[in-house]
Amino acid sequence: RKEVEQDPGPFNVPEGATVAFNCTYSNSASQSFFWYRQDCRKEPKLLMSVYSSGNEDGRFTAQLNRASQYISLLIRDSKLSDSATYLCVVNIKGSNDYKLSFGAGTTVTVRA
Amino acid sequence: GAVVSQHPSRVICKSGTSVKIECRSLDFQATTMFWYRQFPKQSLMLMATSNEGSKATYEQGVEKDKFLINHASLTLSTLTVTSAHPEDSSFYICSAMDFPPNTEAFFGQGTRLTVV
Repeated sequence: RKEVEQDPGPFNVPEGATVAFNCTYSNSASQSFFWYRQDCRKEPKLLMSVYSSGNEDGRFTAQLNRASQYISLLIRDSKLSDSATYLCVVNIKGSNDYKLSFGAGTTVTVRA
Repeated sequence: GAVVSQHPSRVICKSGTSVKIECRSLDFQATTMFWYRQFPKQSLMLMATSNEGSKATYEQGVEKDKFLINHASLTLSTLTVTSAHPEDSSFYICSAMDFPPNTEAFFGQGTRLTVV
């Protein structure tokens, strides 16, 4: 089983729609959680960290459910510029170090 | 925000030669750096984790003698692809963290390697 699994999509949505997707993680030693955004042929960039209480940043809302070991991302009022691949990232504590594990990414395409 | 600089951004080399990729943290000390590889339409795959002053930890299936990683200082890690083959052609990205576990990872711009 992969450490981090995501629905690959693609999610094709019209402008203004709401889109949401999840990410599950298998390691209960996971310490922190992030959503990154990656545009084609570019490096990933942090979209937002995910906190236990859930957090919102503008049109983006992230939730963490430790009991069920998943995180979610919701995008409201989608813009064309939201088209990208969204990567779920989990920071896992090993015996001596930390490791970032990436999901395969969820592709979102917002159409006019 | 913190900046990680990766160089070169693009390189074409002949089979059998070696290529060195540099990853620098410009305004923070990176105790841990990660090297990833990404093939087209696939996810980022962790190749190895390097901690300053110690040997890198390689993921299963990654040949440590082929992908040499050196993290000699808190601001620089290098990945050398030795005896490159066409199947090594990929997008290589580094990332750096300063103080885990809650800090984000900052990514270099990536290096597109083409082996001909």
